[in-house]
Formats: sequence, C-alpha cells, structure tokens
Amino acid sequence: GAGVSQSPSNKVTEKGKDVELRCDPISGHTALYWYRQRLGQGLEFLIYFQGNSAPDKSGLPSDRFSAERTGESVSTLTIQRTQQEDSAVYLCASSLDGDSSTDTQYFGPGTRLTVL
Amino acid sequence: AQSVSQHNHHVILSEAASLELGCNYSYGGTVNLFWYVQYPGQHLQLLLKYFSGDPLVKGIKGFEAEFIKSKFSFNLRKPSVQWSDTAEYFCAVKGYSSASKIIFGSGTRLSIRP
Repeated sequence: GAGVSQSPSNKVTEKGKDVELRCDPISGHTALYWYRQRLGQGLEFLIYFQGNSAPDKSGLPSDRFSAERTGESVSTLTIQRTQQEDSAVYLCASSLDGDSSTDTQYFGPGTRLTVL
Repeated sequence: AQSVSQHNHHVILSEAASLELGCNYSYGGTVNLFWYVQYPGQHLQLLLKYFSGDPLVKGIKGFEAEFIKSKFSFNLRKPSVQWSDTAEYFCAVKGYSSASKIIFGSGTRLSIRP
C-alpha cells in the first residue's frame, strides 16, 4: 500500500516568508509525528498527533512553528517568518497507534527546506 | 529522562568487514528498541525492532541487533558488509508507557569502501 507522502519535496524560500509543509500519513494510522533533521544531525522531535487528543507540541522550537491535523488524515506544518536556522529536512512519520507500547513509525521522504 | 547515545558518528569499513554500531539508552523502565536506516537520497526505513522475547533480533539485509538489558545497549551488527550498506543508521528507543515518545539517537554514518 501507499506509504507516508510529503510535499513539496524541496522548498526554497526567502528569510521572513511563511512556508507550509504537508504530510499525508498511511491510511488508518492514528498517530502522526513531525521531526526536523538538520544537516549531519539526528532527528529532533517537533510535534505529535494521536487521534483526537490534544497534540503534544513540546518539541516546537518557537511560536513561529505550528501544525494542524484534520482528523486522522493530512497534517500541515507551518513555519512563519522563516529564519536561516530553519533550513533542514522536515520529516513526517505515522503509526497505527502512538499510545501502543509496540507502536512502530513509518517515515515519509521529507521536505528539504532552504531559507536564503 | 529518556535518551539514546550513538557514540560512533562516522564509521568507515572495507567491504566484507564485520560491523558493530553502538547504541546505549537511558530509561527507567521497560523499553522497545529500533534501528532505522537512511540510504543516500532515500527516506528512513525500519531495519529491525525489539519489543520482547529473544534479545537477538534479526532484521532485513542480514542485520541483527542484540538487546543487553544489563548494559542498556542495543548494538547493531552485520558479519560482512557490502558497499550498498553505505547509509546513516539511527537507533531509537520508546518507553513502555503510552505517554512515552520515541527518542532517536544522533545517527552513525557508515561508509563502505568498495
């Protein structure tokens, strides 16, 4: 079946502009995660959606970052007034049930964001 | 607090050499453990996972990992690497409670010389 998809695959923007990144999770997956991966570094957790529960926003680095999810489907990550340090690959992952102890995440291809 | 350490940032091996990538975690309870791989230009893929049972877990492409609870370790091994194993490898841990998030290590870059 279809995996996690993300769009756009690449985004180049100017400092100060807003950007919106999209994630389509695997159908039936109730959990959705956003991560940031800076060049040469590991995955930095940003936000986690589980079903209809309030999202875990504990990883968002500043109030310029926000994310929404419509039900158990598409999610958008918005970065307002982008800064050069926002340049990174933004990864989305989904899983069947984030509350399950045996939950396994499946990743999308990522969106490479470059802020000039 | 939960954490994962991958001490080898970059490993360079020749083809047919044996591989062991270290992963140590910190968590005060039962854990689930994962290794993910990211081949050049591709997205993160699950290599193998440990939930319970036999601490020696076999994954795809000849990889295996051993969970040693007393050492809080989950090292990744392969007896004979191939050039196609060139990739970034990430260890991850998730605590056994619903409130626990999966935490990733910083990754180990593996370069294989043909």
